[in-house]
Amino acid sequence: GENVEQHPSTLSVQEGDSAVIKCTYSDSASNYFPWYKQELGKRPQLIIDIRSNVGEKKDQRIAVTLNKTAKHFSLHITETQPEDSAVYFCATNAGGTSYGKLTFGQGTILTVHP
Amino acid sequence: SAVISQKPSRDICQRGTSLTIQCQVDSQVTMMFWYRQQPGQSLTLIATANQGSEATYESGFVIDKFPISRPNLTFSTLTVSNMSPEDSSIYLCSVLGDDTDTQYFGPGTRLTVL
Repeated sequence: GENVEQHPSTLSVQEGDSAVIKCTYSDSASNYFPWYKQELGKRPQLIIDIRSNVGEKKDQRIAVTLNKTAKHFSLHITETQPEDSAVYFCATNAGGTSYGKLTFGQGTILTVHP
Repeated sequence: SAVISQKPSRDICQRGTSLTIQCQVDSQVTMMFWYRQQPGQSLTLIATANQGSEATYESGFVIDKFPISRPNLTFSTLTVSNMSPEDSSIYLCSVLGDDTDTQYFGPGTRLTVL
């Protein structure tokens, strides 16, 4: 089955710095790559996603890049704020199946220090 | 975006018993899913809840342990049967927006098995 590796497992930055989280996947048929943010005790919330026909997508301070050849994709958060502190999960749809059948990475605990 | 509710929000159960979790969506959706998030871990897909037919289970999950119902396009249940402490997790339902292809998660049910 699909294998999604996420790094780093923890990331600590100063407010205003950038944060980068990387994921690699194994199934070349995967074609959907969402990122979720989960605050403590809350449900995962989609923050950005990218489909395999584009290489980069940006939404204000958040961007995602995709390299299908190398099978990796990354989340970039610029000008980090304390409210960005949360667990971030990457995911992908193994076999290029439904966008709801996701395999998740292990998660990255992001801490932004004021 | 779809509004999803789950009942119960949390429960503490004795080993050997069963618990049924309900998931209600405020609009009709074709695709509904059930995920598990073990303490401090990532999310794992349990099954796809199919309306009008048997659920489709992922590797490692079986119908006898996690029976699922999907009587209509707005409702689904997941039963955790013959529970053991290893079943202690957060169980989340999710839906895929028919027009957006975006996945939304319910608030989750936090289950503790003693």
